[in-house]
Parts: sequence; C-alpha cells; structure tokens
Amino acid sequence: SQQGEEDPQALSIQEGENATMNCSYKTSINNLQWYRQNSGRGLVHLILIRSNEREKHSGRLRVTLDTSKKSSSLLITASRAADTASYFCATDERNQGAQKLVFGQGTRLTINP
Amino acid sequence: DGGITQSPKYLFRKEGQNVTLSCEQNLNHDAMYWYRQDPGQGLRLIYYSQIVNDFQKGDIAEGYSVSREKKESFPLTVTSAQKNPTAFYLCASSMWSGSLTDTQYFGPGTRLTVL
Repeated sequence: SQQGEEDPQALSIQEGENATMNCSYKTSINNLQWYRQNSGRGLVHLILIRSNEREKHSGRLRVTLDTSKKSSSLLITASRAADTASYFCATDERNQGAQKLVFGQGTRLTINP
Repeated sequence: DGGITQSPKYLFRKEGQNVTLSCEQNLNHDAMYWYRQDPGQGLRLIYYSQIVNDFQKGDIAEGYSVSREKKESFPLTVTSAQKNPTAFYLCASSMWSGSLTDTQYFGPGTRLTVL
C-alpha cells in the first residue's frame, strides 16, 4: 500500500542550523500532513498542505509539496534543542472504500547544543 | 482543558491475559482511532470509529477488539490471540467531515509489555 517514506532516517545538526526532512509517496494524494513525536509521547500535528498548494509556512516551519515528483519537504529554520524529536509525514490513501491516513517511518532529528 | 487521555501510561501483561487500554476525549470529535507503533517504526492502524456504535477494522485488527458505546470513549482490548502485543499504543481523534484524513489529535500513548 502507498506509504510516505521519510529521508533521512536520522539527522543530527548543531543548534541554530536549519534541518530539512523529505517525504516521498507513491500515488496521488489530496493532502499531506507532518507530525512531530517527542520520545515516548503522542504525535502532535504540525502542518497540513493540500495537493493544490506548493508551499506553506508556520512559524519556523516551511513545508513544500511537489506533486509532479510526489515529494514533500519539511524545513525547520534556526533549530533549537526543543526541536529534537521524530518527524512523520502522513498521506491519505483509499483502502477498501475508506480514505485514511498512512504514516511513514519517520525522521529522527537530534539538535546538539 | 480539551484533549485526549490514555490510561494507563505503562501496562504489563502476562501471556494469555486480555488487557484493556482506555482512551477518552473531550474534543467533541466524532472519529476515533487506535494505532500501534513498534520501535523505530511508523504508525499502523488497528481500528477506527466514525460514529457511536460503529467501528471498522484497520490494517492490523487481528487479536484486538474495540467498542464505541459513547462518543467520548474508545477502549481497545488486546486479546490473548495477539501473538506479539508488546508495543506503544496511540489513540487519536478527529472531526468527521466525510474523510478519515483530517488532522488527528493524539493521546500520550500506552506502552504495553508482555512478560
């Protein structure tokens, strides 16, 4: 089944640097979402981008979507230690008549002080 | 405060036992979901419910059961038929607009360990 795949699987950068994570998917989508998960906690929704949008911003977050390449990227600018978490993309998939979210395996981001 | 609560935070089960994980939300959301997360993996959908007294199997429903008697509550039972139940379980909810792909709000999770 279709699934967003994040790249890289793990990323370690210095505080203050920018972090970029990518998500690729296989079939057409209506929207793509990004979530953050701190270790041992639930997921927190960050941003939703629709298939007719190319770029969206929320604070230090910038998400792009390229439907021709079936890919999305999440950029976190001026990273902070508190940004250390796993980041997941989620795409919509139709399965047995119901459209549901399918999550990728995530990118583990570590911000070093 | 509005949100989703899950209990307990940690749960230990002996082999052959059934255990029930609690999920409650006060967001007035119609749709609720249960996911399983294994180490270093993404989320896999176990069951979901769009409305009270109705629920549907997700991708990995075998060995699990749910009920939806109230809008606010969606408990998950892990039965003895689930052969590898040790995992992190996440409950989520969303508004219902005809799609299950709206923004989902997650609880803090329950970590289940089989002894």
